[in-house]
Amino acid sequence: DAGVIQSPRHEVTEMGQEVTLRCKPISGHNSLFWYRQTMMRGLELLIYFNNNVPIDDSGMPEDRFSAKMPNASFSTLKIQPSEPRDSAVYFCASSLQGLSGNTIYFGEGSWLTVV
Amino acid sequence: QQQVKQSPQSLIVQKGGISIINCAYENTAFDYFPWYQQFPGKGPALLIAIRPDVSEKKEGRFTISFNKSAKQFSLHIMDSQPGDSATYFCAASAGETSGSRLTFGEGTQLTVNP
Repeated sequence: DAGVIQSPRHEVTEMGQEVTLRCKPISGHNSLFWYRQTMMRGLELLIYFNNNVPIDDSGMPEDRFSAKMPNASFSTLKIQPSEPRDSAVYFCASSLQGLSGNTIYFGEGSWLTVV
Repeated sequence: QQQVKQSPQSLIVQKGGISIINCAYENTAFDYFPWYQQFPGKGPALLIAIRPDVSEKKEGRFTISFNKSAKQFSLHIMDSQPGDSATYFCAASAGETSGSRLTFGEGTQLTVNP
């Protein structure tokens, strides 16, 4: 069974370039999350969507970051222009709201290095 | 601000020993407390979770103890094995209608020596 699928797995880019990270959530899930993980700050929630609508983007660091979810099976996180301090692992995760609990399933992450 | 504080930052245990990781929270609206396990190069994965209507939940060698009045919960790993070496995150969320949003602790890097 397919889990959350992220691409690319690894990205090395130069400062100032645009970076686009992609995510396919688990089929049938209606909540999608973008997290960033760094040694200094741990796991930070950047933005989450419910039924394709952004609910809370208060974790997005600044205007250089944007996220979209055009349909239930696809989301992107874009950084433009990228900076070295954006280097981190970016996780996409999805969940199905329901009475059984709020299990969130994570992808394997996109490892971003900005040089 | 919703926060979950986790300790210790790192933990070294001998094979067969008990690993204990502690978390404390502030927001009394939190009603779901999962623990996630993360291996190097992988995303976090749900290990075990508890709701505040019970004080303890056990699944195999993993147990969550929950103290609602103290706003604390902990993960106990009995008979720790080298394969348990990973980073463990506690988390919390408030309400099933919140979109499953989780607030994570800082993480504990567990090393189990053979």
